[in-house]
Amino acid sequence: AQTVTQSQPEMSVQEAETVTLSCTYDTSENNYYLFWYKQPPSRQMILVIRQEAYKQQNATENRFSVNFQKAAKSFSLKISDSQLGDTAMYFCASANTGNQFYFGTGTSLTVIP
Amino acid sequence: EPEVTQTPSHQVTQMGQEVILRCVPISNHLYFYWYRQILGQKVEFLVSFYNNEISEKSEIFDDQFSVERPDGSNFTLKIRSTKLEDSAMYFCASSDRGPTKGGEQYFGPGTRLTVT
Repeated sequence: AQTVTQSQPEMSVQEAETVTLSCTYDTSENNYYLFWYKQPPSRQMILVIRQEAYKQQNATENRFSVNFQKAAKSFSLKISDSQLGDTAMYFCASANTGNQFYFGTGTSLTVIP
Repeated sequence: EPEVTQTPSHQVTQMGQEVILRCVPISNHLYFYWYRQILGQKVEFLVSFYNNEISEKSEIFDDQFSVERPDGSNFTLKIRSTKLEDSAMYFCASSDRGPTKGGEQYFGPGTRLTVT
């Protein structure tokens, strides 16, 4: 089985600043995907960004980017120019060759005006 | 934009009763999932479904759980004899590709199940 660990239950950041959410995972698979999902208050989860394990280049989606360190099994999310709408629970997840997702426990991010 | 829908939004049931949670995935998607999230805890995978059969299930998904795609649009989760510890938010998700082909999972808003 895979495990995903998010060691920061809560974080806060000032609006317009940059914040990094950490995630580590453990897998014996060679081919896997990593994801960051965002769950705003009382709303459903949406995909923020994904990274394919065999791609060395870090994924980027506008203000969101990842720092993927395959050897260290680390997959952190950087949010630049934080906005109030970024306030949400963020889940790191991994997917293996079966159709199974493993989620971390989440990091609650608050953007402070 | 297409979205996954779930009904009901909140279900209250007595211990020992059967419940059916319903989901309508995005119409051209082929992979379907159920997850649960106990209050304050992480999202846990229950089951994935592809080509009209279960492709993966977790140890949580025991004999009291079953899934079905009764028609071309609905995807249901049945809990036969609910227990207090089944109280949780249940999320349905769908995708057009498997996760290791980069398939993004689109999540529904969830059904909050309360077992009394």
